[in-house]
Amino acid sequence: RKEVEQDPGPFNVPEGATVAFNCTYSNSASQSFFWYRQDCRKEPKLLMSVYSSGNEDGRFTAQLNRASQYISLLIRDSKLSDSATYLCVVNAGGADGLTFGKGTHLIIQP
Amino acid sequence: DAGVIQSPRHEVTEMGQEVTLRCKPISGHNSLFWYRQTMMRGLELLIYFNNNVPIDDSGMPEDRFSAKMPNASFSTLKIQPSEPRDSAVYFCASSLVGYGYEQYFGPGTRLTVT
Repeated sequence: RKEVEQDPGPFNVPEGATVAFNCTYSNSASQSFFWYRQDCRKEPKLLMSVYSSGNEDGRFTAQLNRASQYISLLIRDSKLSDSATYLCVVNAGGADGLTFGKGTHLIIQP
Repeated sequence: DAGVIQSPRHEVTEMGQEVTLRCKPISGHNSLFWYRQTMMRGLELLIYFNNNVPIDDSGMPEDRFSAKMPNASFSTLKIQPSEPRDSAVYFCASSLVGYGYEQYFGPGTRLTVT
């Protein structure tokens, strides 16, 4: 399977700060992209899909750069509840399906 | 609405024993996925069913692993015989459309093989 790479962190960020992390993917044929959130000892849950034009959902903004083959997630005004692992997910289509990155661990500090 | 249901939530067994994990997908979803998650390897897809038919089992580690989906509301993942390196969290997920769409994960089964 093609790789999806993320900085594992942890990212230690003070509450209220803005934090951003990237994810790179190796398969240029990848068609759809997602960010999932996983809390400690819980299952992954979809945070947001990533569209070619970029998209925003409240404090969260996702961007896609096809030329450089990376996606990004920006969190503004971070909250303590944002502490989690963020998984980058790429769909190459066909038999390759979804490939999950190993995740970036984010810790928001009071 | 009930989400994806998995049982058991925790399983501790001895090496060599058979382990059966169970999953009930969200009603109406036509795709079901079994994943394994470890610290070292992250989340790995084991097998994917569409309309109860196995489509991609290339992630199944070896013959000790088998999965079935006898109907649209039930799937099992069996490990026989189990080994300590099988210790992991096993997630089941379901999707309404197919492979490239939002997947809803169950709470997982934490398996420990001693």
